[in-house]
This record gives sequence, structure tokens and C-alpha cells, in this order.
Amino acid sequence: EIVMTQSPGTLSVSPGERATLSCRASQSVSSNLAWYRQKRGQAPRLLVYGASTRATGIPARYSGSGSGTEFTLTISSLQSEDFAVYYCQQYLNWPRTFGQGTKLEIK
Amino acid sequence: EEQLLESGGGLVQPGGSLRLCCAASGFTFSSYAMGWVRQAPGKGLEWVSTISGSGSGGSTYYADSVKGRFTISRDDSKNTLFMQMNSLRAEDTAVYYCAKFGAYGGSWGQGTLVTVSS
Repeated sequence: EIVMTQSPGTLSVSPGERATLSCRASQSVSSNLAWYRQKRGQAPRLLVYGASTRATGIPARYSGSGSGTEFTLTISSLQSEDFAVYYCQQYLNWPRTFGQGTKLEIK
Repeated sequence: EEQLLESGGGLVQPGGSLRLCCAASGFTFSSYAMGWVRQAPGKGLEWVSTISGSGSGGSTYYADSVKGRFTISRDDSKNTLFMQMNSLRAEDTAVYYCAKFGAYGGSWGQGTLVTVSS
């Protein structure tokens, strides 16, 4: 099983600033990596797939990068709706596995 | 607009069974792999199971934690996804989300809560 590890566990950033979230895979997943945002009480929403391709309707302030074992989700100019929990997920192998999540909170 | 609506959750005793349903609309259901992802209270996301589209043979995949106890299936004539859950344990308590989930979760339902407790 591929283990996904996200860091940090909690990230405190002020509105309007940039946030950088990290995800590491225990073995290479190439670009088979997705990112999700989950607001409190809501279902997750797909943000990025293929490590760097934004999903439909996702604003350009979200950008994904990386390949192999190291991945980054960058959110520029944070807005109120961005404060939530973020998960990465690999889809190279079964079982599909998620990271434990990064909580992005208002500083 | 793509929509997924789960039903069938509730309170069940340990060792009991439950059947979850997910009604899909707004896309060609039979063409897509579908899956279930769960989230225990206050915890992260855990992929549970996926069934491929009928054109891909309807192959099924399971997390080790549910293999042999849960069965995923689909009825393309009714645009509905199912999860039969048997031998339920306390650790199966979670919100269960239905999703378009082959490689990754493109669309998600709002979830249905399953509570396993005596």
C-alpha cells in the first residue's frame, strides 16, 4: 500500500497571503495525484488531478505541482472559502490512499 | 448538473447489515467507475470500494478493511450504485460518500451516516 503523508498538519495563514501544502508518497506515483478541499460539514471537492490539472470550475489561484513522491498545492491570495481541510490522494495503485489532511486556518 | 444522492444509512448493531444506495443523475452513469469513500467522525478520508463501468467489465476493488464483508454493485438501468455491508463493526461508523471514483473522486454526494453501536 502506498502511504501518503501531508505536511503540515495545520497551517495558519492570513487572508490575501499564499499557502503552500505538501504531500509525500511512500513510493513514486508518477503524476497520479489528486487534491481535494473539504469545508466543514460538506463533501470533499476535487481541486486538481494529474498532479497539476485544475478540475472544472476551480479558480486559477489553485495550482498543483510535483511528480514522483513530492507534491505541492499552492493557493495564492487566500480567500475566506479557502480555509478548510485539504487532502491528497494517489491513484497509481489499489488501494487508493489519501493523506491524513492539512487544515488551513485563518491566522 | 451531476448529482449523487445517498440513502440507507442509520443505526445498526455490531454484526448487523445495511445496504447503502446512491442515485445518480446528470451524466451517463454506465460509462463511469463509481465508488464509496468513508469518513469516521473527526477523521480523514478512507477509500472503501470501486466498481468499474459496465463497459470495463464491472470489476470491483475493495479496501482490506472491508474485503469479504462489503459488496459493491450497480444497476445501470436505474442509475444506482449499491453497497451491501455485512458483519458491521464499531470501526465502520462513518459518513459514507458515493462518488464518481475510478482513479479519483470527480463528483461526490453529500454522504449518509452509518452508526454501528449496541
